[in-house]
Amino acid sequence: QKEVEQNSGPLSVPEGAIASLNCTYSDRGSQSFFWYRQYSGKSPELIMSIYSNGDKEDGRFTAQLNKASQYVSLLIRDSQPSDSATYLCAVLRGQNFVFGPGTRLSVLP
Amino acid sequence: GAVVSQHPSWVICKSGTSVKIECRSLDFQATTMFWYRQFPKQSLMLMATSNEGSKATYEQGVEKDKFLINHASLTLSTLTVTSAHPEDSSFYICSARGDRDYGYTFGSGTRLTVV
Repeated sequence: QKEVEQNSGPLSVPEGAIASLNCTYSDRGSQSFFWYRQYSGKSPELIMSIYSNGDKEDGRFTAQLNKASQYVSLLIRDSQPSDSATYLCAVLRGQNFVFGPGTRLSVLP
Repeated sequence: GAVVSQHPSWVICKSGTSVKIECRSLDFQATTMFWYRQFPKQSLMLMATSNEGSKATYEQGVEKDKFLINHASLTLSTLTVTSAHPEDSSFYICSARGDRDYGYTFGSGTRLTVV
């Protein structure tokens, strides 16, 4: 079992819709979780971090964490074509990140 | 905010030569640097972790004699790919962690093509 798993996609949503990205992790002791966005040929950029169970909202983005289910998700409201990218889920292991394979999101105009 | 400058952004080299990639933290002291490699349509894979002034810790399967990492100062880390081969062609990304609560900041990445 991989440490961090994501559906590779592509996930296609129409402009204005809600995009839902999911991630599961295997280490029950993990405490810190991150969502990164990566455009093709570019390095990842941090969208959100979440450390406690529940929801965390930042603008159009909402991260959800359920440690009992070992599940992290990212919701993007009012999706825009500029949101089209690969979204990487990352879990902090010690001082290192373990990245999931990423989910490719395509927002259709 | 914290900025990490990575150079070069792309490089093409001949098989058998060596290539050096630099990462500099511009406005903070990077106590720890991480080097990642990303092949097309794959996720980032950690290659090694380096702390200033000490030897790098390499992940399993990464050849330390081939990928030389130097973290001689709190603002500069370098990755040298020695005797590069076409299979080393990849996107190399550094990430730095500061001595304050700056989190982890990624460099802009280096696209290496070995011909």
